[in-house]
Amino acid sequence: DAGVIQSPRHEVTEMGQEVTLRCKPISGHDYLFWYRQTMMRGLELLIYFNNNVPIDDSGMPEDRFSAKMPNASFSTLKIQPSEPRDSAVYFCASAREVTQYFGPGTRLTVL
Amino acid sequence: SQKIEQNSEALNIQEGKTATLTCNYTNYSPAYLQWYRQDPGRGPVFLLLIRENEKEKRKERLKVTFDTTLKQSLFHITASQPADSATYLCALATNAGKSTFGDGTTLTVKP
Repeated sequence: DAGVIQSPRHEVTEMGQEVTLRCKPISGHDYLFWYRQTMMRGLELLIYFNNNVPIDDSGMPEDRFSAKMPNASFSTLKIQPSEPRDSAVYFCASAREVTQYFGPGTRLTVL
Repeated sequence: SQKIEQNSEALNIQEGKTATLTCNYTNYSPAYLQWYRQDPGRGPVFLLLIRENEKEKRKERLKVTFDTTLKQSLFHITASQPADSATYLCALATNAGKSTFGDGTTLTVKP
């Protein structure tokens, strides 16, 4: 299996622009997680899905953030409008049960 | 509120020695405790999972203990090597799905 796939790997954008991060989970995994990692705040869970349904979005910072999972093999995390404080590494992870398998991450820089 | 504390942000040891990392938690009754490794620029990688009814688990040079009375897990790397240098994260889960991650301990093994 190719593992969790994320795109893009790096994204540089200007404040106010829309950013879309993409994730393809491991086939057969029914949990999908979006995390944000910064030096200051560590690894933060933003939202997670079970069988394509959002279960807990309490970590989503504000209405500028939204996530979708239209099918079992694809999810997006969108930030609109982006702000400099959104700069971080965003990870997607998938799981069948407890153990999570992380993607390589997207490093987002908002200027 | 739930809290996970991992021992000092950084741990430096000499090659060949045993590294011991600590994970303490409060206000939590996890059914599972996991340890992950994260290298710079990469996502966390799963290492070991231990259940609440297990005291100890081993995998090659790795050993994890889980004391639900002390609310503590110890993670040991024996015969440490420079290649073991990384950040190690503990994660707690009550069931399948969401895990809560600690901030990690950065281990440096010096030759």
